[in-house]
Amino acid sequence: DSGVTQTPKHLITATGQRVTLRCSPRSGDLSVYWYQQSLDQGLQFLIQYYNGEERAKGNILERFSAQQFPDLHSELNLSSLELGDSALYFCASSVGSGSTYEQYFGPGTRLTVT
Amino acid sequence: GQSLEQPSEVTAVEGAIVQINCTYQTSGFYGLSWYQQHDGGAPTFLSYNGLDGLEETGRFSSFLSRSDSYGYLLLQELQMKDSASYFCAVGADNYGQNFVFGPGTRLSVLP
Repeated sequence: DSGVTQTPKHLITATGQRVTLRCSPRSGDLSVYWYQQSLDQGLQFLIQYYNGEERAKGNILERFSAQQFPDLHSELNLSSLELGDSALYFCASSVGSGSTYEQYFGPGTRLTVT
Repeated sequence: GQSLEQPSEVTAVEGAIVQINCTYQTSGFYGLSWYQQHDGGAPTFLSYNGLDGLEETGRFSSFLSRSDSYGYLLLQELQMKDSASYFCAVGADNYGQNFVFGPGTRLSVLP
């Protein structure tokens, strides 16, 4: 158990819908990262927040957005969902912001778009 | 662009030593990390190299050569539980942590 929690574990929704994924980092961690993992794309970095502010942006679509709240939990919002958005979405956290910090991954949310 | 290359699959027997290579081409470089992921599980951190050389953590070691844009993960005394996918990842900047993951290497350990 990494100490990072993600809800829900599974989500099934239809194309065109909007969903929100939630992540609570490990106690004391200030950075939160979001990743998408699919069979054909591997593990893709989406976005990072550090202490409430956006710190780095990866391959995140404009239909996706995220935020980190004052209590440091984070939400990833996915809208106008397409079949290709079906994937495993991981949240990770680390103490600091920078490549030297180990990232702890949550169990993931499996999103299925039908 | 940014890309990392790893072998897609490696097979070895229990007790053996296996090396998983990773080459990278990224716009910036702030360290090479390795993660392990079992089927159905989340990635877990194994090691980090910020400078050239070898880092050892128990049965696992990781090596980095920045001049060659190359690193490897060495797993010794292989056990069945080591069967998993292994990902190298590069931090492309040090202000944030714009991580680029390799495609992963699936290691199968045979009895």
